Amino acid sequence: GAGVSQSPSNKVTEKGKDVELRCDPISGHTALYWYRQSLGQGLEFLIYFQGNSAPDKSGLPSDRFSAERTGGSVSTLTIQRTQQEDSAVYLCASSFNGYEQYFGPGTRLTVT
Amino acid sequence: KQEVTQIPAALSVPEGENLVLNCSFTDSAIYNLQWFRQDPGKGLTSLLLIQSSQREQTSGRLNASLDKSSGRSTLYIAASQPGDSATYLCAVRYSGAGSYQLTFGKGTKLSVIP
Repeated sequence: GAGVSQSPSNKVTEKGKDVELRCDPISGHTALYWYRQSLGQGLEFLIYFQGNSAPDKSGLPSDRFSAERTGGSVSTLTIQRTQQEDSAVYLCASSFNGYEQYFGPGTRLTVT
Repeated sequence: KQEVTQIPAALSVPEGENLVLNCSFTDSAIYNLQWFRQDPGKGLTSLLLIQSSQREQTSGRLNASLDKSSGRSTLYIAASQPGDSATYLCAVRYSGAGSYQLTFGKGTKLSVIP
């Protein structure tokens, strides 16, 4: 079956612009996660959605970052007024009820 | 702060060797532990998941063990092949209310030389 998909695969943007990253989880998975992988920093948790519950936003690095999940499926991560330190690979994962997480291919964001 | 450490950061072995990758974590109150593989420029591929009640899991040439009391997990790769070359990541999901995310180590970059 189809895995987790993310779009775009690559995004280059100018400092100060807003960007939207999209994640399509595995069908039927109730939980969705966003992580960020920066050079030298490893993988960091950003935000978690489970069903209709309020999301866990504890990993978002600043109020420029936000995310939503529509209809319990597709999720969009928005970064406003991008900064060069936002350059990273943004990875989305999904799981069934918090069990094994399956990751998408990621979106490589470059802020110039 | 909960931390996950992987040693070594890089490893180079000749084809055919058996090898062990190490992962340690600071808090033994874990829910589960996952081993992933990441190829350059790609996402993560889940290799094995071990629940906190389990001691090991096996898949093909891979065997992962878990020792909660010592805060350690190992990934054993038998008869290594050049196609095994990748970065291997260990990730822990800790127990406790609200703990759903994975905490990752920084990975071990494995090179298998033909």
